[in-house]
Amino acid sequence: QQQVKQSPQSLIVQKGGISIINCAYENTAFDYFPWYQQFPGKGPALLIAIRPDVSEKKEGRFTISFNKSAKQFSLHIMDSQPGDSATYFCAASKTGYALNFGKGTSLLVTP
Amino acid sequence: NAGVMQNPRHLVRRRGQEARLRCSPMKGHSHVYWYRQLPEEGLKFMVYLQKENIIDESGMPKERFSAEFPKEGPSILRIQQVVRGDSAAYFCASSIPDRVGYGYTFGSGTRLTVV
Repeated sequence: QQQVKQSPQSLIVQKGGISIINCAYENTAFDYFPWYQQFPGKGPALLIAIRPDVSEKKEGRFTISFNKSAKQFSLHIMDSQPGDSATYFCAASKTGYALNFGKGTSLLVTP
Repeated sequence: NAGVMQNPRHLVRRRGQEARLRCSPMKGHSHVYWYRQLPEEGLKFMVYLQKENIIDESGMPKERFSAEFPKEGPSILRIQQVVRGDSAAYFCASSIPDRVGYGYTFGSGTRLTVV
């Protein structure tokens, strides 16, 4: 069963807009929540990650919002650029165990 | 400072043949994870290995698939008697012992096509 559920499956945003991708998880033992970015033909690359002791983490134009009680977390991409067009994966893990990934969101930023 | 190296990048096998996928982790990384990515699907965990030890193979199909990470050399994912449904991208990631479950570095993957 899918331990991490991600939505939407695809997203189109105009240049300069905000891209928002959401994820939900079930296992309350998860303690690490990263987002990965993948370009065609490449492996996923870590974008940003958060632990459940904080509700928000920001790195440049990328922000993770985390809601522990709702078991949800989201990625916000501010001022989206065409170069951000890629597939984004959320993931979750419990320390000592492998990452569980969502199914991915294909983001297209139009000029 | 090479990253995670996977080879081959592309592999074509006929049904019934064996496929061997290799993964050399980053220098200093002793933990390796294998994932499978199907079109329109996410990354599905297959197996997690340390050198000479399989830690978690809960995501690996019980038949035809095996993995190893010997003391010397790369990690190998072996698929025997391949079928069309095995066609996918297979990604390997590595991490250091203190960062199990996070701090992954992924390779560029091996794209397996079964004809």
